[in-house]
Amino acid sequence: DGGITQSPKYLFRKEGQNVTLSCEQNLNHDAMYWYRQDPGQGLRLIYYSQIVNDFQKGDIAEGYSVSREKKESFPLTVTSAQKNPTAFYLCASNSGTTIDNEQFFGPGTRLTVL
Amino acid sequence: AQRVTQPEKLLSVFKGAPVELKCNYSYSGSPELFWYVQYSRQRLQLLLRHISRESIKGFTADLNKGETSFHLKKPFAQEEDSAMYYCALGTGRRALTFGSGTRLQVQP
Repeated sequence: DGGITQSPKYLFRKEGQNVTLSCEQNLNHDAMYWYRQDPGQGLRLIYYSQIVNDFQKGDIAEGYSVSREKKESFPLTVTSAQKNPTAFYLCASNSGTTIDNEQFFGPGTRLTVL
Repeated sequence: AQRVTQPEKLLSVFKGAPVELKCNYSYSGSPELFWYVQYSRQRLQLLLRHISRESIKGFTADLNKGETSFHLKKPFAQEEDSAMYYCALGTGRRALTFGSGTRLQVQP
């Protein structure tokens, strides 16, 4: 099960703390994405990056931050400003070409705020 | 703005029965439609996409631009088809817009 990995699998955070979720891919993909998955709401886009050192806000970026210093890595920081951070977070990547829009997903990180 | 609607949260059928998971979309441009599946304890994975027009695990989906639909169908459901199914819309920003998902339960 290589390709795209996320760590940790489970993460617990106290209120007021920032936490960083890791996402790494060895698929040589240019584009990477972060989604939040909540029951009954599907997946919602937090941030995405189409190239190193560049990223854009998605639909629910408030309270989150990202960086893209390396092609293979796209960490997500959940800040204390995020009002309801308890959720399942999914990272994805794709080649970024115009002919292939398939996204490959990591196994996810479940974040719980205590 | 683009939107994907999956009206059923849960669809329960018996083994061997036909299955249709509904998906409607709204998007002013030329859509790319996908079906993703998440089996228990597995990661989300692509099931099929409209541009390939292929059948995967007996599932098919036809893009109907007039009705803005991309329903997923299978003539005879199997127990191993039980999973969470997401319809997704690809747009120019290269990210996907997902529906809320439908849980398919296939009973023996």
